[in-house]
Amino acid sequence: DSGVTQTPKHLITATGQRVTLRCSPRSGDLSVYWYQQSLDQGLQFLIQYYNGEERAKGNILERFSAQQFPDLHSELNLSSLELGDSALYFCASSVESGAGNTIYFGEGSWLTVV
Amino acid sequence: DQQVKQNSPSLSVQEGRISILNCDYTNSMFDYFLWYKKYPAEGPTFLISISSIKDKNEDGRFTVFLNKSAKHLSLHIVPSQPGDSAVYFCAASATHYGGSQGNLIFGKGTKLSVKP
Repeated sequence: DSGVTQTPKHLITATGQRVTLRCSPRSGDLSVYWYQQSLDQGLQFLIQYYNGEERAKGNILERFSAQQFPDLHSELNLSSLELGDSALYFCASSVESGAGNTIYFGEGSWLTVV
Repeated sequence: DQQVKQNSPSLSVQEGRISILNCDYTNSMFDYFLWYKKYPAEGPTFLISISSIKDKNEDGRFTVFLNKSAKHLSLHIVPSQPGDSAVYFCAASATHYGGSQGNLIFGKGTKLSVKP
């Protein structure tokens, strides 16, 4: 158990819909990351927050957005969902925001768009 | 453009023997490297890391070697055990990204099978 908690674990929704994935980082971690893993892709970095502020942006679509709240939990919002958005979405956290920090992953949220 | 490459999608070894997983990178600014292990339907689990100021880091049965001139790192598992069967991901980050961005760039993984 990494200490990173993600909900829901599984989610099935229709195209065009909007979903929210939730993440609670490890106790004491200020930085949260979101990654996407599709069937034939590796782990793709989406976005990073540190203490409520966006720190880095990766391959995140405009239809997706995220935020980190004062209690440090984070949400990833996915809207206008398409079949290709079906993937495993991981949240991860680290104590600090810079490189050289070990990042710990949650167990992921399986999103299936039908 | 893949900055971190794991060219072997799979590797099979006998229990008790050495497993060597390889990783190449193209970005010379990467200065921190990690290996993660992932079982199906679980999140990646951190295994071991190495900073670019070192060329070797050891933790129990796991050793990571870094060859900066070749932009290559490898993970050695000795002795290999059936429970080591999983997908192994190599990842890298660079402090030059404003010093505040710790996001990791991952390879696509190597599936290790350790046969009893």
